[in-house]
Amino acid sequence: QVQLQESGPGLVKPSETLSLTCAVSGYSISSGYYWGWIRQPPGKGLEWIGSIYHSGSTYYNPSLKSRVTISVDTSKNQFSLKLSSVTAADTAVYYCARRPYGDPPSGYFDYWGQGTLVTVSS
Amino acid sequence: DIVMTQTPLSLSVTPGQPASISCKSSQSLLHSDGKTYLYWYLQKPGQSPQLLIYEVSSRFSGVPDRFSGSGSGTDFTLKISRVEAEDVGVYYCMQGIHLPDTFGGGTKVEIK
Repeated sequence: QVQLQESGPGLVKPSETLSLTCAVSGYSISSGYYWGWIRQPPGKGLEWIGSIYHSGSTYYNPSLKSRVTISVDTSKNQFSLKLSSVTAADTAVYYCARRPYGDPPSGYFDYWGQGTLVTVSS
Repeated sequence: DIVMTQTPLSLSVTPGQPASISCKSSQSLLHSDGKTYLYWYLQKPGQSPQLLIYEVSSRFSGVPDRFSGSGSGTDFTLKISRVEAEDVGVYYCMQGIHLPDTFGGGTKVEIK
C-alpha cells in the first residue's frame, strides 16, 4: 500500500522560505512515477504547485515558478518542496501526491498524503 | 491557463436519489493521442482528495459503480446514480492536457 506523509514547520514568517518533505512508503520513488505538490488555502479550492520525476526533471506552475523548487532524494525515498518569499497568501494545506506520468499531458493523482497546514504569519 | 468551471456550486440530495455535476473547460481536453485528460476527485470532510474517475469515464480502483463520468471536448458530467451518506463532500474536476494542471472550483454535495 502506497503511503505519503508530509512533514515540516506549521508556521513560517513572511518573506522566509517554506520547506516541506514528503516521505513515501510502500513504493520506491526510483521505480518511476511522478511526484507532486498541491495546495489548498483554507476554505478554498485546489492549486497544483509542481511535479518531479525520479530523475529530477520538474514541471512548475508558472504562477509560482520563480519561488518554487521541488527536489527528490531517492536514497531516503522522499521528495521536497521549497517556496521562497512567502506571504499570507501562501497559507494553505499542502498535499503531496503521486501521479503515473507528468510530462504534459499529465496524469491523475492516485495517492495523496493527508496534508499539512502551513500558516504564514509573524 | 485552462479554466475549469463547475456547476452547481452546491447540491442537497435525498439519499437514494441521483445527482449530477457539470464541468466545462475553456479549451478542449482531447489530446492528439486520442485520450481526454479530465479527472474527477472527491474530497470528503477533513480528508485529502481521492480519485474517482480518470480520462472522463474510467472508474479508479475501488470506486463504486454508482459513480459514472461522461462527456467530450469541453463539456463533462459526473453522475451519482443513487447518493449515499458517504458521498458527501466537495467534488472537483481537473484537467491534465496542458500545464499548469487546473482544477474546477468544486461542487459541495450534502445530504438532505
